[in-house]
Amino acid sequence: DAKTTQPTSMDCAEGRAANLPCNHSTISGNEYVYWYRQIHSQGPQYIIHGLKNNETNEMASLIITEDRKSSTLILPHATLRDTAVYYCIVRGTNAGKSTFGDGTTLTVKP
Amino acid sequence: DGGITQSPKYLFRKEGQNVTLSCEQNLNHDAMYWYRQDPGQGLRLIYYSQIVNDFQKGDIAEGYSVSREKKESFPLTVTSAQKNPTAFYLCASSLRTANTEAFFGQGTRLTVV
Repeated sequence: DAKTTQPTSMDCAEGRAANLPCNHSTISGNEYVYWYRQIHSQGPQYIIHGLKNNETNEMASLIITEDRKSSTLILPHATLRDTAVYYCIVRGTNAGKSTFGDGTTLTVKP
Repeated sequence: DGGITQSPKYLFRKEGQNVTLSCEQNLNHDAMYWYRQDPGQGLRLIYYSQIVNDFQKGDIAEGYSVSREKKESFPLTVTSAQKNPTAFYLCASSLRTANTEAFFGQGTRLTVV
């Protein structure tokens, strides 16, 4: 499975959109992009996933570039409770090989 | 409530002892996973199972063992062969291994003294 690269940390003002980037330049055609977040000392929480089309749900939007080599998770109106570590992973038919990197620590500030 | 349950939340053991971490799910998921997380780092896959009575090693399986006798249960044993067992252990399940999201338990923090 492809590896991902994310910035170590990001800040965002409360109420503003948080845009979290992820590079996955070696992604293959059958691999999906998944986003999870982890609040300190808890289990990761699934946010959203996509293959090549942009996706939106009640938590976030996922924008995947046309070449699928990168994606952006958008939290449209960040709140203090969105402060967490956000993980971008790619996952294909053998999900047992999915790798979680170190993620991006998002800090939402008042 | 449907979900995935890990117990206990905190566990202390003496060095040299084997210890078994529990993971139960009532989501009717076929696939289950065990991850290890060290402070400030991401998750590393220990073992995963796609169906009952079948499991595969992940990236860091040495010093660990698992069983999958029932669909609902995937216990992890941390053996005395694991050199650095103190860590946060997370269990997850998904409907299938391919292209389905995983749901995580709340984790077990194991401390070996």
